[in-house]
This record gives sequence, structure tokens and C-alpha cells, in this order.
Amino acid sequence: DIVMTQTPLSLPVTPGEPASISCRSSESLLDRDDGNTYLDWYLQKPGQSPQLLIHTLSYRASGVPDRFSGSGSGTHFTLKISRVEAEDVGVYYCLHRLEYPYTFGQGTRLEIK
Amino acid sequence: QVQLVESGGGVVQPGRSLRLSCVTSGFIFSNFGFHWVRQAPGKGLEWVAVITSDGADTYYLDSVRGRFTISRDNSRNTLHLQMNSLRPEDTGLYYCASAIVTDDAFDIWGQGTMVTVSS
Repeated sequence: DIVMTQTPLSLPVTPGEPASISCRSSESLLDRDDGNTYLDWYLQKPGQSPQLLIHTLSYRASGVPDRFSGSGSGTHFTLKISRVEAEDVGVYYCLHRLEYPYTFGQGTRLEIK
Repeated sequence: QVQLVESGGGVVQPGRSLRLSCVTSGFIFSNFGFHWVRQAPGKGLEWVAVITSDGADTYYLDSVRGRFTISRDNSRNTLHLQMNSLRPEDTGLYYCASAIVTDDAFDIWGQGTMVTVSS
């Protein structure tokens, strides 16, 4: 199974400042057949179900603000928030969809300083 | 309005069974595959199982294969998860999820139903 490792696990951020979360996979998430990298990012706000932020490496989901961006390649991936807002508080998860079983990272808890 | 609503959770003793349901609305159920994802109390997310749009293919997390069965009823727009031989480590909030807009990312989630396995 592919192992997903996120860092940091806790991320205190001042509003208006940028934030970055790293996710590494134990194998490349590049599908050589179609050229896509099957890595998604989800945010679970307190008391809510997870919501999709970024899919297939860098595509923002519908309604997601453009301050969120996804990048990376192979086994190294990054979620960046250009300017953190109070509503961004919650736990961020990366997920690989290259093959079954899909696996999530451990989660990164973003809190406001 | 696109919606997924889970039900069927509860408190059950180890070794017993439970059947979860996920009723959907607002889209053509038979066009999409569905997943179950769970979250133990205070822990992270864990993918559990998937079923394709036609129900022909299913895949499972190793720890639940042989005990859990994912199925669908396209006439009732409903997804199921039959859970047998339940263990304390199966305790958690169970979400159904699907990809309605994206290729296969989980762009829609239910609110979850809680399963507690305890003697």
C-alpha cells in the first residue's frame, strides 16, 4: 500500500500570512498511462464533513478560493495558502487515488495564532 | 440539491453485524461510483471501500475485506455497507462520498453515521 506522510502535523498561522503543508508518498503518484498525478487535498473544518479543495495535483474544486493552490510531482506535494483567513481553520488531509486502497495522510491541523 | 444522507449506525457488541445506508438525491445515482470513508474518534480519515457505477466491481481496505460488503440499489438511489464480525477498531464515523463533478475525487460527502463497537 502507498503510505502518505504529511508535515507539519500542527501549523499555527497569523491571519494574512502564507501557509504551506507538505505531503509525501511512498511511491510516485504519476499515472504514466494518462499523465495525471492522482493527489488530492481535503479540509475538514471543526464539526464538519471533509470538503474537497484540490484534485489531481493542482485543480481547484468548484467554489474554492484562489488563495489555495496545489503543486508538486512524483512523490512530493505541497498545498499552499497565499493568505490565511480565520475560516481556513481545520485539519488538512492529502489523499492519493492512484490505486486501491486509497490512503490519506495523517492530517495537518491549522490554527490561527 | 445534491445530497448524501447516511443512516444505520449505532452501538453494537464485538462480533455482531450492522448495515449502513446512504440515500442520495439531486443527481443520477446510477451514473456514479461510491466510496465509504471512516474516521475513528479524534483520528484521521481512512478509506474503506468503493463500488463502481454499475456495481460490477468492488474494492476494500485489507482490514475489512471478507467482513464488509459494499452494495448499491440503483432503483432506490441507495448505497449500503454490510458490516459483519465487527471489531472495536471498526468504531468511527462512517461517511459515504462520491465524485459528481470531478473525475474521481470526493467532491461530495454525507454527514456521516456513527458506529460504536463495544461490549
